[in-house]
Amino acid sequence: GESVGLHLPTLSVQEGDNSIINCAYSNSASDYFIWYKQESGKGPQFIIDIRSNMDKRQGQRVTVLLNKTVKHLSLQIAATQPGDSAVYFCAESGGGGFKTIFGAGTRLFVKA
Amino acid sequence: NAGVTQTPKFRILKIGQSMTLQCAQDMNHNYMYWYRQDPGMGLKLIYYSVGAGITDKGEVPNGYNVSRSTTEDFPLRLELAAPSQTSVYFCASSHVGYQETQYFGPGTRLLVL
Repeated sequence: GESVGLHLPTLSVQEGDNSIINCAYSNSASDYFIWYKQESGKGPQFIIDIRSNMDKRQGQRVTVLLNKTVKHLSLQIAATQPGDSAVYFCAESGGGGFKTIFGAGTRLFVKA
Repeated sequence: NAGVTQTPKFRILKIGQSMTLQCAQDMNHNYMYWYRQDPGMGLKLIYYSVGAGITDKGEVPNGYNVSRSTTEDFPLRLELAAPSQTSVYFCASSHVGYQETQYFGPGTRLLVL
């Protein structure tokens, strides 16, 4: 069945280091992938997205990589800051937002 | 813009009680969604709407009802609350044509005892 999973439920990094959060997806028909950030007590916030016709997309301090061969998605955060501490969700969609499937999330801890 | 707003922030219900979770957006989005988030889990879609007067079931609709009389508002109704409905509920909205980018409200934490 369709599923979006995460390799690590918790990630702890030192402030200033780069963070990599991984995600596996199983639906090869998914053509749109999104990363959301959820801070404690708040709703998810869109970070960056990528479509299936791309392998890489960069934003401000964030990069998303898509490997369709192994159905793997990753989020890289450069120079991780304390404000990056949150739960990060990957999600996949088949082209309609109401079909979006969310993963369980990875909690990122940033040590000062 | 206030974005997506939800009320209340927190509510305790007794088993069998009913309540309505309110959601409003001021971004003129046609698409709106209700999700629930259980501890340590991802978001599960309850109901969604593609415009005023149009709603459809998501992955976990049982025990809930929705209505969409205006573009701005998308209330979620819980009838006969059960402990299994203890969760955090998020409302979201998105543009037509950009429906994949969803904007979320702050959530309503519901405890059913």
